[in-house]
Amino acid sequence: QVQLQESGPGLVKTSETLSLTCTVSGGSISTFYWSWIRQPPGKGLQYIGYISYTGITYYHPSLKSRVTISVDKSRNQFSLRLTSVTAADTAIYYCARGLNRGQQMPYYWGQGALVAVS
Amino acid sequence: SSELTQDPAVSVALGQTVRITCQGDSLSDYYTSWYQQKPGQAPVVVLYGKYNRPSGIPDRFSGSSSGNTASLTITGAQAEDGADYYCASRDRSGDHVVFGGGTKLTVL
Repeated sequence: QVQLQESGPGLVKTSETLSLTCTVSGGSISTFYWSWIRQPPGKGLQYIGYISYTGITYYHPSLKSRVTISVDKSRNQFSLRLTSVTAADTAIYYCARGLNRGQQMPYYWGQGALVAVS
Repeated sequence: SSELTQDPAVSVALGQTVRITCQGDSLSDYYTSWYQQKPGQAPVVVLYGKYNRPSGIPDRFSGSSSGNTASLTITGAQAEDGADYYCASRDRSGDHVVFGGGTKLTVL
């Protein structure tokens, strides 16, 4: 059974760096596309970016200068790093995985982690 | 603004049929996935690929598309179907995923 679990600080100070980790169980981190999506309070979903099983990354243009997604194969985890945060980055952050190898579209989701910037 | 456009809110009488639509230039080239999100919960995929339903999703959920418009149809809506629904597909370049703005479905 595939499970994803986000973890990280729930509060980040303005101008500092937001760091979240997604721990994966039920599947190898060395396969599939791994994505981050966020949802500001009361608003819709925004796709942040992904890292593929080949290590290719994509970042949303509006975040590209501040975001990094990386993988730690030894821990079966992948991570999100967002620098120079502002209140506009306050959101629930979800990690997700595609259904099959080569499929980017999020299928399995974590429960989400609320991060407030203040 | 989103590359995929959804009506912000739709309502349906209990037991009736409702269609939730998603419009975007890329939809004629790529499949659309649909997600259901209830308050305080993570999104759950209800349709993916070519109108595939994950196990556990009732068959009252179905999909269709025509040109630049994709649709999610709920036939015989139930009270538990009240939720936010998001469409998702590739952007026009095919590089990445984009989400619609979401539709709040109210079952009356």
